[in-house]
Amino acid sequence: EDQVTQSPEALRLQEGESSSLNCSYTVSGLRGLFWYRQDPGKGPEFLFTLYSAGEEKEKERLKATLTKKESFLHITAPKPEDSATYLCAVQAGGGQNFVFGPGTRLSVLP
Amino acid sequence: DAGITQSPRHKVTETGTPVTLRCHQTENHRYMYWYRQDPGHGLRLIHYSYGVKDTDKGEVSDGYSVSRSKTEDFLLTLESATSSQTSVYFCATCPGSGATQYFGPGTRLLVL
Repeated sequence: EDQVTQSPEALRLQEGESSSLNCSYTVSGLRGLFWYRQDPGKGPEFLFTLYSAGEEKEKERLKATLTKKESFLHITAPKPEDSATYLCAVQAGGGQNFVFGPGTRLSVLP
Repeated sequence: DAGITQSPRHKVTETGTPVTLRCHQTENHRYMYWYRQDPGHGLRLIHYSYGVKDTDKGEVSDGYSVSRSKTEDFLLTLESATSSQTSVYFCATCPGSGATQYFGPGTRLLVL
């Protein structure tokens, strides 16, 4: 069974304090790994798609990396506006379903 | 971003009544999905569609049915709402296999 776990469950950072969020997955044939940001009361907003081990994507203060078993979302010098829940999802070969992790709730304090 | 709208955005209903939620997209994406999101469970797939009149069950499909008569519309029906179906419901679309999934704004449903 395809599974996705995320850690930590919640993370509090001071503004400017860099850190990383982890997404670990167990799937049969990874077709893609997706990172989303979700603000309270809103739908998930797409951030990155990674397809193969070693791939990296960057956007502003965020950088996503992928290995064969996990992905990291690195946040460099975060700002309060980066506060949100970050969701990781995978799509496995042989199906069109996406499996989501429970998310990491990030709070960046000024 | 894909143009995805959901209606209604908020609904309060009583146990035992039927409820239909609508998802409308303007991007001509092939795949459409219904999820529910609850504290402690994250996003869970209810049903999805891979084309007009082609649908399949997700992990939490009991008590829900769906229909897709047009590419742009995907309906989720709770035949007889229960309090356990109180949740936030999200619609999503995807243009093709391996492609990114995009989400609507959500519908907050309260079943009393």
